[in-house]
Amino acid sequence: NAGVMQNPRHLVRRRGQEARLRCSPMKGHSHVYWYRQLPEEGLKFMVYLQKENIIDESGMPKERFSAEFPKEGPSILRIQQVVRGDSAAYFCASSPRQGQNSPLHFGNGTRLTVT
Amino acid sequence: AQSVTQLGSHVSVSEGALVLLRCNYSSSVPPYLFWYVQYPNQGLQLLLKYTSAATLVKGINGFEAEFKKSETSFHLTKPSAHMSDAAEYFCAVMLYAGGTSYGKLTFGQGTILTVHP
Repeated sequence: NAGVMQNPRHLVRRRGQEARLRCSPMKGHSHVYWYRQLPEEGLKFMVYLQKENIIDESGMPKERFSAEFPKEGPSILRIQQVVRGDSAAYFCASSPRQGQNSPLHFGNGTRLTVT
Repeated sequence: AQSVTQLGSHVSVSEGALVLLRCNYSSSVPPYLFWYVQYPNQGLQLLLKYTSAATLVKGINGFEAEFKKSETSFHLTKPSAHMSDAAEYFCAVMLYAGGTSYGKLTFGQGTILTVHP
């Protein structure tokens, strides 16, 4: 019973390149969330997706960041033209449904380093 | 708006001593509250949750937390610390708006627990 799978675990990009982070939710989970953990700042919500739909993207930076969760395949968080300030740990979480009785299951994260 | 505040970014205890990690919340509606633990280079693991049932909530690894509405607190405790409890702990509140709640969590800043022999 695999948990939430994120890859890669570590990603190094030069300034200006693109970063693509992948997340496969737990089996049977159709709700996916992305969080970012910046050094000294704690975890911040970025976006909430259901299959093929973005439900809440209130935490996403307005530019360069996008997320998708296609009908088939993993959820992708895409960062275009990365800058040093994008260096952080990015966590994906999934749940089978909405509601307080359906807590999030987190992956081990992708640690992005921008050089 | 909902928020949580964790008092103390670092807590150090001796093995076998009581663990107390403090969390206070702010919410205009009855909150849904969670404690998560994060070990180095790993994701977050749910310890326990409060969702308006019993105010004393028991979680995994011997941890428990008590919801106190009068004090707007949800402190995490464990009677006897073990070396394996050394980790970072996060208190979180779940968004609840318009009759719907979902996994948009607001996290506290985290408390690093150190356990020494």
